Amino acid sequence: GAGVSQSPSNKVTEKGKDVELRCDPISGHTALYWYRQSLGQGLEFLIYFQGNSAPDKSGLPSDRFSAERTGGSVSTLTIQRTQQEDSAVYLCASSLAPSGRTGELFFGEGSRLTVL
Amino acid sequence: AQRVTQPEKLLSVFKGAPVELKCNYSYSGSPELFWYVQYSRQRLQLLLRHISRESIKGFTADLNKGETSFHLKKPFAQEEDSAMYYCALSGRQAGTALIFGKGTTLSVSS
Repeated sequence: GAGVSQSPSNKVTEKGKDVELRCDPISGHTALYWYRQSLGQGLEFLIYFQGNSAPDKSGLPSDRFSAERTGGSVSTLTIQRTQQEDSAVYLCASSLAPSGRTGELFFGEGSRLTVL
Repeated sequence: AQRVTQPEKLLSVFKGAPVELKCNYSYSGSPELFWYVQYSRQRLQLLLRHISRESIKGFTADLNKGETSFHLKKPFAQEEDSAMYYCALSGRQAGTALIFGKGTTLSVSS
């Protein structure tokens, strides 16, 4: 594909509902990141997948947040029982991540989540 | 723990003026430092990385380990430089997540 693809581009939901955000990384990229971008908070790291290693979940803000990466490719970020403070743009990025180095991250356009 | 601090939320300069976007970091090991940029209605993208010691679009950044800084500089700002700039840090070993600062909005006016 041309780049990292995210869906949906916009999601409006009611407080308390669950949402799923999808990320399709660049083919062959072994590293995949989720970030949250909001006013005043900048770019918050959420979770990082690298190949077959256990993901780094240290940035997930609560147990309502979870993410999976199936078959080393597509990733889904799930937010359960959404709260208004979850409203933000959720960015996904992928990287070739050569061994021992942090490769250039290629970002998607983001999924804008609004919780009413 | 690794941390990136960008002390300025907004930096406003006139066209042709010098620009310095500040970035300080905290990391116990040997870091890799990056600058990413997001222009209006565009995706976030890599601007430069310290290991390449390159100049991109007239911007340079030098890693100062003594001051734990990686400030982004350009001698003469252009209006097209207006964007959000993020400083980012990663550990050198594989498997280390890339952590970003909160970003600085650069506004260049004529």
